[in-house]
Amino acid sequence: GAGVSQSPRYKVAKRGQDVALRCDPISGHVSLFWYQQALGQGPEFLTYFQNEAQLDKSGLPSDRFFAERPEGSVSTLKIQRTQQEDSAVYLCASSLDGYGYTFGSGTRLTVV
Amino acid sequence: AQSVTQLGSHVSVSEGALVLLRCNYSSSVPPYLFWYVQYPNQGLQLLLKYTSAATLVKGINGFEAEFKKSETSFHLTKPSAHMSDAAEYFCAVGPYKYIFGTGTRLKVLA
Repeated sequence: GAGVSQSPRYKVAKRGQDVALRCDPISGHVSLFWYQQALGQGPEFLTYFQNEAQLDKSGLPSDRFFAERPEGSVSTLKIQRTQQEDSAVYLCASSLDGYGYTFGSGTRLTVV
Repeated sequence: AQSVTQLGSHVSVSEGALVLLRCNYSSSVPPYLFWYVQYPNQGLQLLLKYTSAATLVKGINGFEAEFKKSETSFHLTKPSAHMSDAAEYFCAVGPYKYIFGTGTRLKVLA
């Protein structure tokens, strides 16, 4: 597609609920990144894929967070047993060469 | 290790005045540096990037930034502010795993 598409745009989850956030990168972009942006903060790195390989997951805050990109295109970020501190905007970005990302509009997750 | 510091979480300028947003970085490897703009409820849009070519980088919407290795700085400037420039601006250091600053909210006064 023309840009990075993320869905849903907004998600309200009850504490303890599992959520899945989807990212559809620009067609042909090899690199895909997930970032978490808390209110009033800059984005923080979560994880990085090159094609279907997850090369870096050092930013995932706990084992409740899991990301996958099984066919090297669409990626899903899953959060199990959501907690209030998980409330944030989750940004996905893709890149053709690993430099100069194109970001999606993000998914705003609110845990109540 | 890499880090970014953005001085001034809020900056106000008059319409038509110079915009200067400050960014200092720390990097143990030759850095790639980026400026992004974020409008409310939107993702990040790349303004410009430095990837070890020319030290003065021109971006979109009239913005530019100068890489100064001796000062470890990559400040963003625009000669004349427009109302539409009001947004949040983020500096980031790469290469691939970006480290973002905490952002500077630019307000443009009529």
